Amino acid sequence: NAGVTQTPKFRILKIGQSMTLQCAQDMNHNYMYWYRQDPGMGLKLIYYSVGAGITDKGEVPNGYNVSRSTTEDFPLRLELAAPSQTSVYFCASTRIAGNNEQFFGPGTRLTVL
Amino acid sequence: GENVEQHPSTLSVQEGDSAVIKCTYSDSASNYFPWYKQELGKGPQLIIDIRSNVGEKKDQRIAVTLNKTAKHFSLHITETQPEDSAVYFCAASDSGNQFYFGTGTSLTVIP
Repeated sequence: NAGVTQTPKFRILKIGQSMTLQCAQDMNHNYMYWYRQDPGMGLKLIYYSVGAGITDKGEVPNGYNVSRSTTEDFPLRLELAAPSQTSVYFCASTRIAGNNEQFFGPGTRLTVL
Repeated sequence: GENVEQHPSTLSVQEGDSAVIKCTYSDSASNYFPWYKQELGKGPQLIIDIRSNVGEKKDQRIAVTLNKTAKHFSLHITETQPEDSAVYFCAASDSGNQFYFGTGTSLTVIP
């Protein structure tokens, strides 16, 4: 199993540009999450999904959108990039509810200039 | 919502010494407390976890203790080795859909 994969690894955007961060898992996990990690801070939840077709906001959803059309994929969309979105983004998945191990992807480092 | 605080933010120990990292949480409904290790340039990886019906759990050189009354839990690493150097995160979950993470502890083990 590849586990949780994320693309791209690095990206530089100009203010106002849009992009999609890709996330896929091959473990048949129902729950998937998007976090951002800023320097010296913990992981902040952006959006999560409890299954295909179901998504919900986390702690810091503004400026982002998600979709979950399949169990495997959970892309994160930035519509109008802002410097405040410069961060490292991690996707994670877990088999069942939130009180079980989360498996993280390797991260995407995004810089908005 | 839940608030998880983690201390210290940085920790340096000599190889072979023990390291202790402490976290507190605010929501008494939280019942699952994982610890993650994040190496440079990688995603966090679970190293140990504990549920609220257990007071202590040990896995070789790593142990976690939980005090539900005081709402705090701690990670203990004994006989530290250079490869233990990393950032460690605690987290809390209430069996719902979300995890709440601490701000991380950067551990450096000095050879």
